[in-house]
Formats: sequence, structure tokens, C-alpha cells
Amino acid sequence: GAGVSQSPRYKVAKRGQDVALRCDPISGHVSLFWYQQALGQGPEFLTYFQNEAQLDKSGLPSDRFFAERPEGSVSTLKIQRTQQEDSAVYLCASSFLELAGYEQYFGPGTRLTVT
Amino acid sequence: AQTVTQSQPEMSVQEAETVTLSCTYDTSESDYYLFWYKQPPSRQMILVIRQEAYKQQNATENRFSVNFQKAAKSFSLKISDSQLGDAAMYFCAYRSGFYGGATNKLIFGTGTLLAVQP
Repeated sequence: GAGVSQSPRYKVAKRGQDVALRCDPISGHVSLFWYQQALGQGPEFLTYFQNEAQLDKSGLPSDRFFAERPEGSVSTLKIQRTQQEDSAVYLCASSFLELAGYEQYFGPGTRLTVT
Repeated sequence: AQTVTQSQPEMSVQEAETVTLSCTYDTSESDYYLFWYKQPPSRQMILVIRQEAYKQQNATENRFSVNFQKAAKSFSLKISDSQLGDAAMYFCAYRSGFYGGATNKLIFGTGTLLAVQP
């Protein structure tokens, strides 16, 4: 079956613009994670959904970041009033269940550049 | 809080040779999982191998194997018979074994960029 997909793959935004990044997880996967990967760094956790419930948003760097998964499948990460420090690759991952033993499958990421 | 450290920013290996990537971690938990992920230039992260902390036997997947030293909190990846397609960024990652919520997030190291020379 299809893997995790993300769109757009690349996004250039002017500082102050709002952006929306989409993640389509693997069908049937309960768990969905968002990570932020700055250049030359490892991914860092942003937020986690179990179905439509956002159970953890402790990694969101500011209240400009907002994520949703209203029907428990597709998720959107929204960044308001983008800043240059928001430039990064945003990775989405899904997992069949939230149990630690289940593999997280990653999407190709969205590279956001804020100018 | 748990941390993962990869002290080798870059490594190089000749094709068909063996290379070992290092990873150390810090945790007070007794139940956890460790992973090695590969991230080729296309940026899609792929799971290479995983190790459950409660298992004493080191995990192996074809040419990939780990040396898991629980007391030393060390988790190195050995790639045997290196191939050109192994060239990528490799990330070591930690995941709590406890059930539920934020504890299931992956905590990554900073990565090791592996070059394979023909």
C-alpha cells in the first residue's frame, strides 16, 4: 500500500505569512506524529495524535504552531505569521498503534523556507 | 529527560568494507527501544534496525547489526560489506517502552553522514 505522503514537498513563504502543511498517513494508522528537522540536525518532536485526539503538543515551539487531525486520518500543521527560525523540514510519521514496539513510518517531509 | 548522542558527524568507508557508527544515550527508564534510521538525500526516513532493551541478544538485519551495551548505554551500528546505496545520514533514536501519550515519541541524535567510496 501507499506510504505516508506529505504536501507540498517544498514551500517558500515570506516572513509573516501563514502556511499549512498536509500529511496523509498510512490508511488505518492510529498514531500520527509531527517532527521538525532543522538543517544538519536530527528531527525533534512537535506533536502527537491518537486518532483525532491531540494527546501531546509539548514540542510545539510557540502558539503560532497549530496542528489538527479532525477525522483521525489526514493531519494539517499550520504555522501562523512565519518567522525565519521556522525554516526547517517538517516530517510526519504514522504508526499502526501507539505502542512503542510499532514502527513509525515517515513521509518525505515538507521543506519550509521563510524569506 | 532522555538524550541521544552521536559523536561522529561524518564517516567514510570503502565499498565492501565494514564501518561502525556510534551512539550513546542517557535514560533512567528500564524499558525502552533503540533504533537506527537511514535518511537518504531524498529525505524519507527508513528504519534500518531496532533493539528492545529487554533483549540481551543484539539485533541483526542482513548486513546491519548492532552492539547494544545496556550498562554502558551504548548502541552502535555495524554495516558490513558496505554498498554505494548505504550512503546516507544515519540517525540513532530512542523511544520509551511505557505505554501511552508523549512517551511514544522518538528522540533522535544529531546524525552521522556516511559516505561510501567506490
